[in-house]
Amino acid sequence: TQLLKQSPQFLSIQEGENLTVYCNSSSVFSSLQWYRQEPGEGPVLLVTVVTGGEVKKLKRLTFQFGDARKDSSLHITAAQPGDTGLYLCAGANFGNEKLTFGTGTRLTIIP
Amino acid sequence: NAGVTQTPKFQVLKTGQSMTLQCAQDMNHEYMSWYRQDPGMGLRLIHYSVGAGITDQGEVPNGYNVSRSTTEDFPLRLLSAAPSQTSVYFCASSRRGVAGLYNEQFFGPGTRLTVL
Repeated sequence: TQLLKQSPQFLSIQEGENLTVYCNSSSVFSSLQWYRQEPGEGPVLLVTVVTGGEVKKLKRLTFQFGDARKDSSLHITAAQPGDTGLYLCAGANFGNEKLTFGTGTRLTIIP
Repeated sequence: NAGVTQTPKFQVLKTGQSMTLQCAQDMNHEYMSWYRQDPGMGLRLIHYSVGAGITDQGEVPNGYNVSRSTTEDFPLRLLSAAPSQTSVYFCASSRRGVAGLYNEQFFGPGTRLTVL
């Protein structure tokens, strides 16, 4: 079983601060996705990264795929209360139809 | 489009009871999957299907059965419920990816199951 470990598991910061969430594995992934999940709902896709070293920006969110395609990070600039939620990374592999989800980071932005 | 729908939203079972969690999608997606979500463990894949008539096991398949007779529906059956199956269950669908590149997974709202 490929494991995707996310850190930190919990993060609570003040509105306006910056933060970074990490997704790490000892395995190589062909692509990696980030999802955000709000209470009582299913996860919603934020981004997919495919190329080692790739950086994608989504407004105040910056996603990076590690050069070796074993890890990824999510950086949020000037966090807002609307960023509150559970952030999940998920990795995919060539020749494998399964998507492996990370352990999750629960983010709380305090107004 | 309703997207992915799941029923029921909440369910309480006694140990040993059986039940079926329903999942339906109206996006004509080939790929459908079932996950369970437990605190601190993210989402774990139970079973998945790449098309009607084709199913396969995920990471935690024991105690669960699935079938895929149509593109739209992918029910999950608990054969004999156990307290360890207390969890939140999510169904998801997507267009089938190519060579490890996953398309967007669309998730249902989840079913919260408690087994006493």
